[in-house]
Amino acid sequence: ETGVTQSPTHLIKTRGQQVTLRCSSQSGHNTVSWYQQALGQGPQFIFQYYREEENGRGNFPPRFSGLQFPNYSSELNVNALELDDSALYLCASSLDRNGGYTFGSGTRLTVV
Amino acid sequence: GENVEQHPSTLSVQEGDSAVIKCTYSDSASNYFPWYKQELGKGPQLIIDIRSNVGEKKDQRIAVTLNKTAKHFSLHITETQPEDSAVYFCAVNMNRDDKIIFGKGTRLHILP
Repeated sequence: ETGVTQSPTHLIKTRGQQVTLRCSSQSGHNTVSWYQQALGQGPQFIFQYYREEENGRGNFPPRFSGLQFPNYSSELNVNALELDDSALYLCASSLDRNGGYTFGSGTRLTVV
Repeated sequence: GENVEQHPSTLSVQEGDSAVIKCTYSDSASNYFPWYKQELGKGPQLIIDIRSNVGEKKDQRIAVTLNKTAKHFSLHITETQPEDSAVYFCAVNMNRDDKIIFGKGTRLHILP
């Protein structure tokens, strides 16, 4: 049973809108990473937060932003949604930054 | 940046036979090599991992081998069972980047 929960499980948005995805990490896990997984592809790293500060970023534009809170929850915000943003968004938490990530089941975002 | 190649993209094996999935990577600084299993509608689940100071690691029917000189690592599943059917991802992590780079995945079918 995974200790990482994500909400919502599915979401449909219109192009140009903004979306906020939420993640609740395993208790004590101070590192959270967000990934985008397009259909039939491996997850792509968006960014990582460690102790509430951004700690690394992948090749994603600034309209992808995030927050991490002291209660081990975090958010992924995407502004000005584009059709290509349609994907499964995964949150993963870790006790430290040295691997061993636990993934949530993801949020399936569809942009129409 | 780091590049991870995974082969094959699809693999069908008879129940009870062995399955082998191979990955290569480009950055010699990579030092953590996890394997994930992803079932339909779920996030990736860590099934086994290996660090750069170990050449082989086994956990029941699953084993991973690492060749740092050749920059490749493999997943071996023996005595395959129907519940092994899933998509498997290799991944690579470097401490300095704190992000996991995934391969494109292998869809494993266990034939009855």
